[in-house]
Amino acid sequence: EAEVAQSPRYKITEKSQAVAFWCDPISGHATLYWYRQILGQGPELLVQFQDESVVDDSQLPKDRFSAERLKGVDSTLKIQPAELGDSAMYLCASSLLAGQGVPHEQYFGPGTRLTVT
Amino acid sequence: GDSVTQMEGPVTLSEEAFLTINCTYTATGYPSLFWYVQYPGEGLQLLLKATKADDKGSNKGFEATYRKETTSFHLEKGSVQVSDSAVYFCALIGAQKLVFGQGTRLTINP
Repeated sequence: EAEVAQSPRYKITEKSQAVAFWCDPISGHATLYWYRQILGQGPELLVQFQDESVVDDSQLPKDRFSAERLKGVDSTLKIQPAELGDSAMYLCASSLLAGQGVPHEQYFGPGTRLTVT
Repeated sequence: GDSVTQMEGPVTLSEEAFLTINCTYTATGYPSLFWYVQYPGEGLQLLLKATKADDKGSNKGFEATYRKETTSFHLEKGSVQVSDSAVYFCALIGAQKLVFGQGTRLTINP
């Protein structure tokens, strides 16, 4: 069964350092999402890609976070510099092409748990 | 904006007990509604969904009915098992953005 792959699964970094997470969506899924899940809360969307284009990054802290999906397949989320408040689970999800009035199921990867010390 | 409110946890039950986890939502238009489950150390898995009023989603013995009049989508299971221990998230898709509730941690004791 096809799955969304993420790496690393766990990352510990010191504040002010740079950190990057990688996601490989299910083959054929045009839409890719990055979520942040703070402990005890539900996931919150950071950025949504349709192929290689960003369609929603309204909740992405752009002063320190960046995301790219250069070839419209896998994606990288970067934080530089990391802050203590960035400690969370970072989840990647993918779905078939999202269109108005056609919500497709989102498939989630296992996540990357980030701890900033 | 769109929002989802779940009953606060944690919820602890004995095996074979009846489960209800309440979920209400606020949204413009007619959102699709979902329940996701997150087992320890794993990502989210879709448990069930309903796309229009009065639809009933069901999977693995869990059920939820889309109630437009009460803006609710409560999760139920008649007889829970230890393996159902997990965090459950109610969610909706409004304007193509998936919005989650805060999650309810469920623990089932043998």
